[in-house]
Amino acid sequence: DAKTTQPPSMDCAEGRAANLPCNHSTISGNEYVYWYRQIHSQGPQYIIHGLKNNETNEMASLIITEDRKSSTLILPHATLRDTAVYYCIVRGDNDYKLSFGAGTTVTVRA
Amino acid sequence: NAGVTQTPKFQVLKTGQSMTLQCAQDMNHEYMSWYRQDPGMGLRLIHYSVGAGITDQGEVPNGYNVSRSTTEDFPLRLLSAAPSQTSVYFCASSYSGEGRKLFFGSGTQLSVL
Repeated sequence: DAKTTQPPSMDCAEGRAANLPCNHSTISGNEYVYWYRQIHSQGPQYIIHGLKNNETNEMASLIITEDRKSSTLILPHATLRDTAVYYCIVRGDNDYKLSFGAGTTVTVRA
Repeated sequence: NAGVTQTPKFQVLKTGQSMTLQCAQDMNHEYMSWYRQDPGMGLRLIHYSVGAGITDQGEVPNGYNVSRSTTEDFPLRLLSAAPSQTSVYFCASSYSGEGRKLFFGSGTQLSVL
């Protein structure tokens, strides 16, 4: 698995967009970028994933740079319920040994 | 649709005791895995399975055994519990194809005294 680097924490104002960066400079061509989040002590929850193109779903948008060495998860209108630890992971289709680093602790403030 | 079900939610053991954490999924997922999460840390992979009868070690397998006799179930056995195994344990499952997002259970909080 390619390693990822995320800031340990960030704050965001409620109602504003939250932009979460992730560096994955050693990513290889067949590896996807996945984002998960973990609210309090619950099991992590899948958010979104992408290979090259930008992706959007009902939860978030994923912007991947053209060289694929970094990406940004965008929560368009953060709410207090978005306070969580966000994990950025890179994996290929045949990667089964998937571990989660420390992630970014996002605190949304009223 | 229950998803990934873990039991028990909480467990207290004495050092040296053995126990089995249960994990079941009803999504017909080929891939299942066990993680542990220590306070303030990310999740570390213990064991995983890509199908019935196939298991392999993850990052931190020592002290744990697994087996996969059916697609639905993937139990984690602690052979002789140690205080270092105090942690929150998560089970996860996914399909094996492209875009295989992981579905996680709600976790088991284990304390070993």
